[in-house]
Amino acid sequence: DQQVKQNSPSLSVQEGRISILNCDYTNSMFDYFLWYKKYPAEGPTFLISISSIKDKNEDGRFTVFLNKSAKHLSLHIVPSQPGDSAVYFCAASVRTGTASKLTFGTGTRLQVTL
Amino acid sequence: DTEVTQTPKHLVMGMTNKKSLKCEQHMGHRAMYWYKQKAKKPPELMFVYSYEKLSINESVPSRFSPECPNSSLLNLHLHALQPEDSALYLCASSQLGGRQPQHFGDGTRLSIL
Repeated sequence: DQQVKQNSPSLSVQEGRISILNCDYTNSMFDYFLWYKKYPAEGPTFLISISSIKDKNEDGRFTVFLNKSAKHLSLHIVPSQPGDSAVYFCAASVRTGTASKLTFGTGTRLQVTL
Repeated sequence: DTEVTQTPKHLVMGMTNKKSLKCEQHMGHRAMYWYKQKAKKPPELMFVYSYEKLSINESVPSRFSPECPNSSLLNLHLHALQPEDSALYLCASSQLGGRQPQHFGDGTRLSIL
């Protein structure tokens, strides 16, 4: 049972335009959400996160929105740049004792074209 | 540059071999993690260590044996692996407590012959 879903396996966006990546989750116990970017042959790189008590978090060109009632989050990248081309994973976290467990979505491959 | 360093980057081993994967971080994080990622799939959690003690084992077969010798190092000992264990093994670390991002190394790509 996939608790975190990214329904778009791929997305193509023109340079300078907005990229919107979506993610849905089913487990109400998740209290922290993250986006990671992954290039081939590298590990996931942390991009931005949001706590379940917020509905928006912004960091430069990246903004994450959380809609708890819909169990939906999205990552907006604006303006998109060719270097943003990568696979993007959303992840949801639940605290377990002193650490946390991450559950990842299946990823969306973003292609930013010139 | 990643602040979590994993060695080796690639490993090929036979089903009867014993090998170890190593992970090191110097960010002062007291939580460390092992994940397994198969091709075109998301990373899946295997083990969690807090304060150098194993706190979560996600029903991983005993042919995988984790070890945390100190707060900066995490090992994964491998013995009698199967071909289906071929995957990318990722190490991560984080501050303790909830709502902390995990930071990943670049992984070890493991192939079992």
